[in-house]
Amino acid sequence: DAGVIQSPRHEVTEMGQEVTLRCKPISGHNSLFWYRQTMMRGLELLIYFNNNVPIDDSGMPEDRFSAKMPNASFSTLKIQPSEPRDSAVYFCASSPRRGQAGELFFGEGSRLTVL
Amino acid sequence: AQSVTQLGSHVSVSEGALVLLRCNYSSSVPPYLFWYVQYPNQGLQLLLKYTSAATLVKGINGFEAEFKKSETSFHLTKPSAHMSDAAEYFCAVSDDGNKLVFGAGTILRVKS
Repeated sequence: DAGVIQSPRHEVTEMGQEVTLRCKPISGHNSLFWYRQTMMRGLELLIYFNNNVPIDDSGMPEDRFSAKMPNASFSTLKIQPSEPRDSAVYFCASSPRRGQAGELFFGEGSRLTVL
Repeated sequence: AQSVTQLGSHVSVSEGALVLLRCNYSSSVPPYLFWYVQYPNQGLQLLLKYTSAATLVKGINGFEAEFKKSETSFHLTKPSAHMSDAAEYFCAVSDDGNKLVFGAGTILRVKS
């Protein structure tokens, strides 16, 4: 069975450009999470969805960040406009339904560099 | 608020030696506790989790962790380190099983 699929794996862009990161969760999983990993701040939860509905976006750093989940098999994280401090590895993770709390399946990440 | 402290950002052991990675947590409610492992250029993988069923939890690859409420600890151990265990290990806490708060991570180095 395919795992969580993220694209692109690497993105280099210039400050001010729009960045869109994509995620396909594992089929049948009903929760989806976006995390950001940096050396300075470690792993931070940005937002999570349950059954395609955003449940908690308190970790989204500012209005430049937005996330959508139009259906159960696709989610995007958009940064517009991007800034150098957004450089990080962005992970998407999905989780099965209740009863397997906290069992996150992570993608391989999207490494973003904003110049 | 929940938080996790991992003592030691780097731990080095010899192959075959005991592995001990320390984790202390803070939570206002009985917590869910987790250990995840991250290999270079990969996402995190679940090693094991504690959900109040048993205080000693066994995970994959020979790892186990013991929940000690009195010490608010959830240390990760493995009796004999293998070269393939070299990775970064993250302890995490959650009060609802959804929002996981991760520690800063401990990089495990295994010397031959």
